[in-house]
Amino acid sequence: EVQLVESGGGLIQPGGSLRLSCAASGFSVSTNYMTWVRQAPGKGLEWVSIMYSGGTRYYADSMKGRFTISRDNSKNTLYLQMNSLRAEDTAVYYCARLPITVFGVVSLDPWGQGTLVTVSS
Amino acid sequence: EIVMTQSPLSLPVTPGEPASISCRSSQSLLHSNGYNYLEWYLQKPGQSPQLLIYLGSNRASGVPDRFSGSGSGTDFTLKISRVEAEDVGVYYCMQVLETHALSFGGGTKVEIK
Repeated sequence: EVQLVESGGGLIQPGGSLRLSCAASGFSVSTNYMTWVRQAPGKGLEWVSIMYSGGTRYYADSMKGRFTISRDNSKNTLYLQMNSLRAEDTAVYYCARLPITVFGVVSLDPWGQGTLVTVSS
Repeated sequence: EIVMTQSPLSLPVTPGEPASISCRSSQSLLHSNGYNYLEWYLQKPGQSPQLLIYLGSNRASGVPDRFSGSGSGTDFTLKISRVEAEDVGVYYCMQVLETHALSFGGGTKVEIK
């Protein structure tokens, strides 16, 4: 079964750091595009970062320089290192796979269950 | 960055009646291969988003045929032919044409009248 399980969320003070993990099963993170999406309480979905199968990485403007996406192929796990956290980073963070098809990448499927990050003093 | 705009924000529906959600993109999502790189997702209460429609009009595996996607270029529509109680939640459109900067619509909350 193709599955993603996030972990690492919690309560962190402003300015602090946190590393989220996304453990994959049923497929390899190294041969797929992988992405992080977040959802602030009561708000919509916001794209955070993407890592291509070849290793190229991109970030949303508000996360550039503070967040780093990475993966450990041996653990089949995607990570999101978050530094200099702000109150507005409070959200549920989801990881998702973008399978590569003959049409390129065309969807986020599946999504993990999400992990809550709360930035507060 | 491609900006995605959905309407309406909220959609009260009667079970058995049709429903329609609109999504507009700031740039064309029509790829040179003829496909529109537009997806629809449903986030049911307390759950993660789930894929409904990909490439503008293709239903994902297991999605009931009462859901359909249409449109091209910058204007897209998700239709539910006969709404069921299990269809409540927030619907999002998303573009995957620019994978270096994915973007979502603001969401449409569908609720039963």
